[in-house]
Amino acid sequence: QSVLTQPPSVSAAPGQMVTISCSGSSSNVGNNYVSWYQRLPGTAPKLLIYDNNKRPSGIPDRFSGSKSGTSATLGFTGLQTGDEADYYCGAWDTSLNAVLFGGGTKLTVL
Amino acid sequence: QLQLQESGPGLVKPSETLSLTCTVSGGSISSSNYHWGWIRQPPGKGLEWIGSIYYTGNTYYNTSLKSRVTISVDTSKNQFSLKLSSVAAADTAIYYCARAYDVGYHYYMDVWGRGTAVTVS
Repeated sequence: QSVLTQPPSVSAAPGQMVTISCSGSSSNVGNNYVSWYQRLPGTAPKLLIYDNNKRPSGIPDRFSGSKSGTSATLGFTGLQTGDEADYYCGAWDTSLNAVLFGGGTKLTVL
Repeated sequence: QLQLQESGPGLVKPSETLSLTCTVSGGSISSSNYHWGWIRQPPGKGLEWIGSIYYTGNTYYNTSLKSRVTISVDTSKNQFSLKLSSVAAADTAIYYCARAYDVGYHYYMDVWGRGTAVTVS
């Protein structure tokens, strides 16, 4: 089953900004809401962004989400070393009747 | 607070059936608008959605696993289960259960279990 396309890795210095992209198609990202998950080392995934740009309670506003067409973006401001993790986008695929995840992006805070 | 807990054998022999159960506490598995799903992560790889079930028994499966997967629900026990048949080394992974909000075009997994490691060997 195909995945959504993410860059394998991104990096930036503490305090800086960085973005992670997620590319799909009209059957998933283009016409359904996108969610983002953070997987810290050794822990279960955690919902970071839902409905393209909404943050669950307790998620700081340093994290943001956006979507345009068939691409979505996760943004970070004021990077912290504790943000080092793997990040995954996800969306329902209407053609497959299934959930698709991106391949994951490893964020390194230098 | 809703919590999910996976349970099941950590070691399964090749060609046998992997069986896991997810117990839901702090809330009802019969809640409207929520599916209950299984996701796995093989070593060194990304997340892979396996499938999900509504409390009525309606299921959705990953097409690449569909022939080997069965997800079932037991509302009386507030549990749902995963069976994956004919396992091979490629099925070695951490298996997570999760609650998924599923209404219209909205779908996201907001509560996750801690995960359980399963090795096929």
